Amino acid sequence: EIVLTQSPGTLSMSPGERVALSCRASQSVFGNYLAWYQKRPDQAPRLLIYDASKRATGVPDRFSGSGSGTDFTLTISRLEPEDFAVYSCQQYGSSPPTFGQGTKVEI
Amino acid sequence: QVQLVESGGGVVQPGRSLRLSCAASGFNFNTYGMHWVRQAPGKGLEWVAVSAYDGSNTHYAESVRGRFTISRDKSENTLYLQINSLRPEDTALYYCVKDLRAYGRTAPFDNWGQGTLVTVSS
Repeated sequence: EIVLTQSPGTLSMSPGERVALSCRASQSVFGNYLAWYQKRPDQAPRLLIYDASKRATGVPDRFSGSGSGTDFTLTISRLEPEDFAVYSCQQYGSSPPTFGQGTKVEI
Repeated sequence: QVQLVESGGGVVQPGRSLRLSCAASGFNFNTYGMHWVRQAPGKGLEWVAVSAYDGSNTHYAESVRGRFTISRDKSENTLYLQINSLRPEDTALYYCVKDLRAYGRTAPFDNWGQGTLVTVSS
């Protein structure tokens, strides 16, 4: 199965800053079928980005995804207070679908 | 809008069984693949199982194969997860999840329930 490694584990940021989160795959992700999810405390995960760079419905345009093959990035252009959360990447191009361990963005 | 409501979790002893349910509404249940994903305390998300949109195929994570069974009731728009021979490492919040794309096309997970907590402890 494909192992996804996210870095860093935790990021300490301030509102208004730009942040880039990394997700590296142990082998090439078929079709660049790579998604990013946001998880806030006591809430269900929320799909942000899919197919590496497409924003899900209702996701603000400060969120963007990029990358291909084995290296992917989620960028938040200007952090809003509600963006402090855990972000996980997922590949769904190969079975079984797998998730990264998550990056926590904290104030 | 899409709603996924899980139930059936609880505290159970190792070796016992449990059946989780997920009531789905707000979309055509019979055209979307449905999954169970879990998150153990302090750990990342782990995919558990999938039921194809028409119920014809199921697949499981290696860690649960042979103990877990996913199924769906088309008439009741309900997804199930039968969990047998529970182990302490099965302790987790179990989410019911829907595919973004219909008819089995490769897809991420666009709607998640709030989860139901399973705790395996003697």
